[in-house]
Amino acid sequence: GQNIDQPTEMTATEGAIVQINCTYQTSGFNGLFWYQQHAGEAPTFLSYNVLDGLEEKGRFSSFLSRSKGYSYLLLKELQMKDSASYLCAVRDSNYQLIWGAGTKLIIKP
Amino acid sequence: IAGITQAPTSQILAAGRRMTLRCTQDMRHNAMYWYRQDLGLGLRLIHYSNTAGTTGKGEVPDGYSVSRANTDDFPLTLASAVPSQTSVYFCASSQGADSGANVLTFGAGSRLTVL
Repeated sequence: GQNIDQPTEMTATEGAIVQINCTYQTSGFNGLFWYQQHAGEAPTFLSYNVLDGLEEKGRFSSFLSRSKGYSYLLLKELQMKDSASYLCAVRDSNYQLIWGAGTKLIIKP
Repeated sequence: IAGITQAPTSQILAAGRRMTLRCTQDMRHNAMYWYRQDLGLGLRLIHYSNTAGTTGKGEVPDGYSVSRANTDDFPLTLASAVPSQTSVYFCASSQGADSGANVLTFGAGSRLTVL
């Protein structure tokens, strides 16, 4: 079966750095996505990785290793507004998205 | 403002009733999707449409139907609601299933409670 694993919840301090991991087992691979979802709101796109390596976008970076079935989202200089759930999703060989359950990130002052 | 509009925002429904969740996008996206989101689970695809006039079944299609008469609208119908369909429903759209990153844009969601 297809599976996306990510931690259920993480806590970090304002101004610090946090890494959210995602491991996947899917039928084929056509890209990995990270979305941010604030409580009670819609998911919004953060990043897309299709090749191995690090993609940097401001305070957020996303890393992919296809051979290990592994990705992480790195958030730097954490702000209170970063408190949200972070969803990892993999596009499989049929171009369908398989979603993880999300990681709830709690930022403390 | 370009985007996706869902209605209703929230609804309480008696079991056995018929319900249609509406979804309209103004971005001229080819593909549209309906997901449900339940606590502790990832987003699960109910139905999708790669282009106007075509639809397909996702991971959890039973009890739901969709239509795609035009590019903009993609309603989701529950023919006879059951309590297990209590969930938050998200409509999403994208340029196309095989177009590059194919980033999804989501609507604000419809919270449905079936009693």
